[in-house]
Amino acid sequence: QLVLTQSPSASASLGASVKLTCTLSSGHSNYAIAWHQQQPEKGPRYLMKLNSDGSHSKGDGIPVRFSGSSSGAERYLTISSLQSEDEADYYCQTWDTGIQVFGGGTKLTVL
Amino acid sequence: EVQLVESGGGLVKPGGSLRLSCAASGFTFSSYTMNWVRQAPGKGLEWVSSISRSSNYIYYADSVKGRFTISRDNAKKSLFLQMNSLRAEDTAVYYCARVNGSGSYQMGYWGQGTLVTVSS
Repeated sequence: QLVLTQSPSASASLGASVKLTCTLSSGHSNYAIAWHQQQPEKGPRYLMKLNSDGSHSKGDGIPVRFSGSSSGAERYLTISSLQSEDEADYYCQTWDTGIQVFGGGTKLTVL
Repeated sequence: EVQLVESGGGLVKPGGSLRLSCAASGFTFSSYTMNWVRQAPGKGLEWVSSISRSSNYIYYADSVKGRFTISRDNAKKSLFLQMNSLRAEDTAVYYCARVNGSGSYQMGYWGQGTLVTVSS
């Protein structure tokens, strides 16, 4: 079964960096994912597609300080030079034939 | 600029029906697979349904299969979700989402959502 696992919460200080993790279920370590950001009271916003080899392609207007990387079944989203507007929920998403799957989301608090 | 605007949400009683619409602009609607994704209050994102460019391929989450029907009108650049036999657990904000590229699978653009409340 295709499942994405995310930690419920993370925190980091203003101006610092943070690395969020999304883990693919067993047998799916070669799957690509996408990262989405949802700021409070807003709709989601596409950040990037992240492949198993760590290559990624970002959405329109996504700042350079958002980047992605991969290791095995883990997919990472790194946000550097944290700003207050980065405080949001972050979701990973993957897909297979006839199905789309979202992780449970990570709530990022900027201290 | 890609724009997706959902409408049709509201309050409905359990067992009732509702039809959601999504008006698309700023891109060639007929070239992209479209999706409905929902978010229950205080919860995460849940995929509901997908429809391919020419409506040849349609998929549903198990939680809505047999009750919801996705459709599209490429001439009118519109996406629809017919929701029947609604339950309390269908209460959510419903988002319309376009895949990023014409051959992509990831959601690349999202609407602002429309709230559906199922309650007596």
